[in-house]
Amino acid sequence: DAGITQSPRHKVTETGTPVTLRCHQTENHRYMYWYRQDPGHGLRLIHYSYGVKDTDKGEVSDGYSVSRSKTEDFLLTLESATSSQTSVYFCAISDPTGSYGYTFGSGTRLTVV
Amino acid sequence: GQSLEQPSEVTAVEGAIVQINCTYQTSGFYGLSWYQQHDGGAPTFLSYNGLDGLEETGRFSSFLSRSDSYGYLLLQELQMKDSASYFCADYSGGYQKVTFGIGTKLQVIP
Repeated sequence: DAGITQSPRHKVTETGTPVTLRCHQTENHRYMYWYRQDPGHGLRLIHYSYGVKDTDKGEVSDGYSVSRSKTEDFLLTLESATSSQTSVYFCAISDPTGSYGYTFGSGTRLTVV
Repeated sequence: GQSLEQPSEVTAVEGAIVQINCTYQTSGFYGLSWYQQHDGGAPTFLSYNGLDGLEETGRFSSFLSRSDSYGYLLLQELQMKDSASYFCADYSGGYQKVTFGIGTKLQVIP
């Protein structure tokens, strides 16, 4: 399997608190992504990165920020968590010079209470 | 805009063949991918179709018809372990902005 790990795997947090999810890859892939998955909505893109310090918004970026200071790490931050951000968050990586497929991490289940 | 439609659920018998359809309504269509996701697991890339026709990978095949804005995933010799959700995804927003369908939950029964 590709080297992509997410941490934490599970988290429960209170409304209004900041939360940071981490994605780490060992594949040296240029592109990294954060998706959220909710019943009835499938996977929706939050933010993506196409290089160190190069990021852009996806379909559902409101309330989220990202940072990529190193090729291998892509952080997703919820500045002030809300109950609507309760979801499963997946990180993915891809290499446009190779396959068109994305490789996903195992996911982080976040519950905001 | 980008819109992908696929059935929400499909049931098939072990050993049989099942086809999961995906229709898209996009401008600037580039290609269609398929992913498998078991309950509680991560999506796993299965195939990509950039050109019309059939792509075969073992028991799984994927087909694309640009003229019909339509694709499908074909699973042959179904096994119980094929019970999972299957997502089509298109690249019309660009390589870095893939849009996923809401998924088709396949249940394989004995």
